[in-house]
Amino acid sequence: GQNIDQPTEMTATEGAIVQINCTYQTSGFNGLFWYQQHAGEAPTFLSYNVLDGLEEKGRFSSFLSRSKGYSYLLLKELQMKDSASYLCAGTDSNYQLIWGAGTKLIIKP
Amino acid sequence: NAGVTQTPKFRVLKTGQSMTLLCAQDMNHEYMYWYRQDPGMGLRLIHYSVGEGTTAKGEVPDGYNVSRLKKQNFLLGLESAAPSQTSVYFCASSLQGPHQPQHFGDGTRLSIL
Repeated sequence: GQNIDQPTEMTATEGAIVQINCTYQTSGFNGLFWYQQHAGEAPTFLSYNVLDGLEEKGRFSSFLSRSKGYSYLLLKELQMKDSASYLCAGTDSNYQLIWGAGTKLIIKP
Repeated sequence: NAGVTQTPKFRVLKTGQSMTLLCAQDMNHEYMYWYRQDPGMGLRLIHYSVGEGTTAKGEVPDGYNVSRLKKQNFLLGLESAAPSQTSVYFCASSLQGPHQPQHFGDGTRLSIL
């Protein structure tokens, strides 16, 4: 079957680092997306990994291991505005995205 | 910079009523998508379009119809609304296929009583 798994909720402290994991099982996998979604708003694109390894974009980095079916999103120097849900999505053989349920990240002062 | 615009933003329907959700994008994107988002679940694809005049079924197409008569517009129809269709509906577009980032509208919150 096709499946994307990520933790339901995580809590972290302002200024700290947090890693949000995502595991996937999709046939015809081509790449993995991370999106951010603030409560009551639309998802917005963060990153797309096709090759193994770490890609850094400012405070956010995303990692992919195709052999392990695993990805993570790393957020550094956490700010209160980073409180949001983080959605992981992978492509499948039907040329569609399979979405995880999202990880709600709570930032505490 | 409108991006993807959805109308309406909120709607309450009675069971059995019909309605159309409108989605418009001004980025000249080929692909457009309709998703529903329910608590505790990932976004689920209802229907999508790979270009003007084309539509295809996604993961949960039953009870919905779509049309893409113009490249910039993608309409989602509910012919006979059911309480199970209470959800938040998102429209999205991408320049080409799903391997490219999708741009989302602000969503339509639909309640079926």
